[in-house]
Amino acid sequence: EVQLVQSGAEVKKPGESLKISCKGSGYSFTSYWIGWVRQMPGKGLEWMGIIYPGDSDTRYSPSFQGQVTISADKSISTAYLQWSSLKASDTAMYYCARSQRASDLFSAFDIWGQGTMVTVSS
Amino acid sequence: QSVLTQPPSVSAAPGQKVTISCSGSSSNIGNNYVSWYQQLPGTAPKLLIYDNNKRPSGIPDRFSGSKSGTSATLGITGLQTGDEADYYCGTWDSSLSEGVFGTGTKVTVL
Repeated sequence: EVQLVQSGAEVKKPGESLKISCKGSGYSFTSYWIGWVRQMPGKGLEWMGIIYPGDSDTRYSPSFQGQVTISADKSISTAYLQWSSLKASDTAMYYCARSQRASDLFSAFDIWGQGTMVTVSS
Repeated sequence: QSVLTQPPSVSAAPGQKVTISCSGSSSNIGNNYVSWYQQLPGTAPKLLIYDNNKRPSGIPDRFSGSKSGTSATLGITGLQTGDEADYYCGTWDSSLSEGVFGTGTKVTVL
């Protein structure tokens, strides 16, 4: 079964760092782009960025460039989203999702992780 | 704010049909494939339509997609209570060089 399994919910304080993960299985992890999507409480979906685990080619939305870092470790089929200094406004659900077609940056997201809730509060 | 505009909500009685519009521009919908996602309450989004009008395996043919110019439309026929969810369009924006989602539409079954 093709699936993406994300790490569990996190509660952090402002200024702390955080790295959440997304582990792929059931397919060739290095051949499909993995994207990250933010959903703030009660709000819509926001495209944050995307990585190609095969060569770590990464693209960011200008809205998130410099605010987060996307990475991948192909040896363990895992993608990451990290923050160096969290803010209360980072409180949201974060989803990882796989591109539908191998190597196709522009294709739809066909497989989604279950989401990781990040809560930032003092 | 999103570059893709959807109506905030649509509603219809069970068995009826609803359509959801997604309005964009030449840099996104006009020159790229559109996809549609269903997000049931408390769950992750699910792909309903890709490449403007194709359905992944397992998606019933009650769901359909179309595109014309810089707009796309999702249609749902034979509306069921289980269709109550938020629906989002998505595509690539060639000018912004990023993926974009629509503002989202809540479907209510009366």
